Amino acid sequence: GENVEQHPSTLSVQEGDSAVIKCTYSDSASNYFPWYKQELGKRPQLIIDIRSNVGEKKDQRIAVTLNKTAKHFSLHITETQPEDSAVYFCAATYFGNEKLTFGTGTRLTIIP
Amino acid sequence: GAGVSQTPSNKVTEKGKYVELRCDPISGHTALYWYRQSLGQGPEFLIYFQGTGAADDSGLPNDRFFAVRPEGSVSTLKIQRTERGDSAVYLCASSPGANVLTFGAGSRLTVL
Repeated sequence: GENVEQHPSTLSVQEGDSAVIKCTYSDSASNYFPWYKQELGKRPQLIIDIRSNVGEKKDQRIAVTLNKTAKHFSLHITETQPEDSAVYFCAATYFGNEKLTFGTGTRLTIIP
Repeated sequence: GAGVSQTPSNKVTEKGKYVELRCDPISGHTALYWYRQSLGQGPEFLIYFQGTGAADDSGLPNDRFFAVRPEGSVSTLKIQRTERGDSAVYLCASSPGANVLTFGAGSRLTVL
């Protein structure tokens, strides 16, 4: 089955700087990679996703890149703000498989 | 409803007891998922429903866990003879398709 590894487990960034979180996956069949943000005590919320037919996707300050050959994908947050502080989870699956496999999460702290 | 609703939000029970956790998905979403999230971990897949049927129950840890969705809407996760290791947040999610999940706020289960 799929195995997703996520690094780092914690990340502290000065407000205004960029943050990068990286994930690797094991199943070469995986072709859908979402990122979820979970604030303390709240539900995970989808913030961005990428499908394997593209290498990069941007949404305002958030971007995700995908390297299918190396089987890794990354979340990039630019101009970080205090409200970006949360736990971020990557996940992977393939179409036809409804089971998302999540990484172990990255606790991002933005230092004012 | 406007979002995925889960009840109860918190459940404290004693070892060996039976518990039921309820999920009310977004209206019109045919796909419904149960995940379990332990402290400091990513969500772990339990079971997936498409309509009334359990299309994939490969994540249920053992036969003490069972879930139903008799009318293709509300789902109930049932745990028999609870153990302390069952303590976690149980997350429900629904989707209109294509793996795009909307999570509920979760039911926090504590087994004493």
